[in-house]
Amino acid sequence: QQPVQSPQAVILREGEDAVINCSSSKALYSVHWYRQKHGEAPVFLMILLKGGEQKGHDKISASFNEKKQQSSLYLTASQLSYSGTYFCGTPNSGNTPLVFGKGTRLSVIA
Amino acid sequence: EAGVTQFPSHSVIEKGQTVTLRCDPISGHDNLYWYRRVMGKEIKFLLHFVKESKQDESGMPNNRFLAERTGGTYSTLKVQPAELEDSGVYFCASSQEYGGGTDTQYFGPGTRLTVL
Repeated sequence: QQPVQSPQAVILREGEDAVINCSSSKALYSVHWYRQKHGEAPVFLMILLKGGEQKGHDKISASFNEKKQQSSLYLTASQLSYSGTYFCGTPNSGNTPLVFGKGTRLSVIA
Repeated sequence: EAGVTQFPSHSVIEKGQTVTLRCDPISGHDNLYWYRRVMGKEIKFLLHFVKESKQDESGMPNNRFLAERTGGTYSTLKVQPAELEDSGVYFCASSQEYGGGTDTQYFGPGTRLTVL
């Protein structure tokens, strides 16, 4: 089942914050977050496995709610380098490939 | 450590022609995945190798697509004959452990295929 991402697109000024959501009507096995810049490989950001888990590095963090039906990616004090399309991916079960959301296009402007 | 590499980076062919894409995974990664992203849409799974064996090919669109991974190292994806709807960016990813649930997949830069 494909996770639903929101918003589809967002424009930020440098220094502003953003939240990208990834949700499903069923509990997700895990959530994988990636960022892809145009013409480049999707870059792995982080993976969340447990309900209630929170992770982060630098100014990018993510959470996984207790019911494991929603994950949110938090971008604080955004930088120009944060621009790109953010994807969440989730496997249908433990040993299956990732099903990705449609992506959120983030544009950070000066 | 070298990342996942893909060749070519771009390919433009005419409808009916054949194209072969190549992926070299990270050394030591047994799992190799092929994905495709059509313009503006989500990244969609095509198939998964564990070493040289096809673990899951449920995402392959039709029998015009043939993937191989001889010797469990690099993989090729052949499209023959190519159709207009095959255009898109083909990504390869690899991971060390078996299982998409908890293992990190590292993506290559993709091959942009344009079928005219």
